[in-house]
Amino acid sequence: ELKVEQNPLFLSMQEGKNYTIYCNYSTTSDRLYWYRQDPGKSLESLFVLLSNGAVKQEGRLMASLDTKARLSTLHITAAVHDLSATYFCAVAAGTYKYIFGTGTRLKVLA
Amino acid sequence: DTEVTQTPKHLVMGMTNKKSLKCEQHMGHRAMYWYKQKAKKPPELMFVYSYEKLSINESVPSRFSPECPNSSLLNLHLHALQPEDSALYLCASSQDGRGPVTEAFFGQGTRLTVV
Repeated sequence: ELKVEQNPLFLSMQEGKNYTIYCNYSTTSDRLYWYRQDPGKSLESLFVLLSNGAVKQEGRLMASLDTKARLSTLHITAAVHDLSATYFCAVAAGTYKYIFGTGTRLKVLA
Repeated sequence: DTEVTQTPKHLVMGMTNKKSLKCEQHMGHRAMYWYKQKAKKPPELMFVYSYEKLSINESVPSRFSPECPNSSLLNLHLHALQPEDSALYLCASSQDGRGPVTEAFFGQGTRLTVV
């Protein structure tokens, strides 16, 4: 059974700093997604990673995928308060099944 | 239009009530999903419909009954729920599992409270 773990679970960081969130998964998969969720809100799609070595960037966020290591990273550059949210990775475990990671609650302090 | 619309946004129901959650998308997606999310936890898959047929049921109790009347609509019928069923229920859709990109788009969710 596919298991997806993220670390850290909680992250409090100062504005302007850099940090990386890690997503590890236990069995082979060919698709990985990153989502953002604000408190009490829905999930917003951030990145879709479909191949080994894939790298996507949007603003201060950059995601990468290493399928051999079963690892994805979400790197935050020069954090701003607006990035405060919970970030989930989700790994495809079959045609229609997505298994979500444990989530990382990010708080950016001014 | 990349929107998945869920109604109602909030629902309070008694344990003997029957209610339904509704979800609609007009993106031409042929896969639709129900997820349950408890506070501070990741979403958990409940059901998947593909081309209006139930593809996945993650051993969900029968007090939850999904229905897909057509390719744009997805319902979740609720009956005799328990207080522990209180959660955020999220609907999602994706193009099709067979395509190269099967990114799921999520609705705003229904916040369900069972009293």
